[in-house]
Amino acid sequence: LAKTTQPISMDSYEGQEVNITCSHNNIATNDYITWYQQFPSQGPRFIIQGYKTKVTNEVASLFIPADRKSSTLSLPRVSLSDTAVYYCLVRGYNKLIFGAGTRLAVHP
Amino acid sequence: GAVVSQHPSWVICKSGTSVKIECRSLDFQATTMFWYRQFPKQSLMLMATSNEGSKATYEQGVEKDKFLINHASLTLSTLTVTSAHPEDSSFYICSAREHRLKEAYEQYFGPGTRLTVT
Repeated sequence: LAKTTQPISMDSYEGQEVNITCSHNNIATNDYITWYQQFPSQGPRFIIQGYKTKVTNEVASLFIPADRKSSTLSLPRVSLSDTAVYYCLVRGYNKLIFGAGTRLAVHP
Repeated sequence: GAVVSQHPSWVICKSGTSVKIECRSLDFQATTMFWYRQFPKQSLMLMATSNEGSKATYEQGVEKDKFLINHASLTLSTLTVTSAHPEDSSFYICSAREHRLKEAYEQYFGPGTRLTVT
């Protein structure tokens, strides 16, 4: 299973764009990159998933360079409610192993 | 998206008793379900993987006789914590994988169950 590395914590302010980068140097050909969000005392919530290039949905964008050894989750104009832990995972057709995640704090 | 429920959402039990936690996929069939445990300020730790109709596969260091997992149907998996002790107090989260194309599955998480052993 590919290991992921992401910053332990980040701080931002309301209205700013937040980019969280994750490195996954030994990603396999069949692996997808998936991001989850977790609030305290809740289960993780799926944010976005991609294989290569750029993926965008109503809440975030995911940028994946050609070598796929890293990915960047972009949250446009964050609000206080985006304060949470964000997990980057790399997975094939197998179990999901969570890393430490990035604790994002959004300030007024 | 698909919904996964857990019951109960929280439970308090006395040391030495057993507690059962249910995980249900409400609007899809889940051939595979996963159980995670999460301690305060820590990440999720995978405990076991269960496939419908077969025995669960436990991660290294997880006692299979203490954490009994039953995946009796495509929509229900249960985790029983036997002879619970205070150190078993944790947040237990299940997830279910939707039965789709092998390369394009989705995995959905339940809301979690807070277990407190006194």
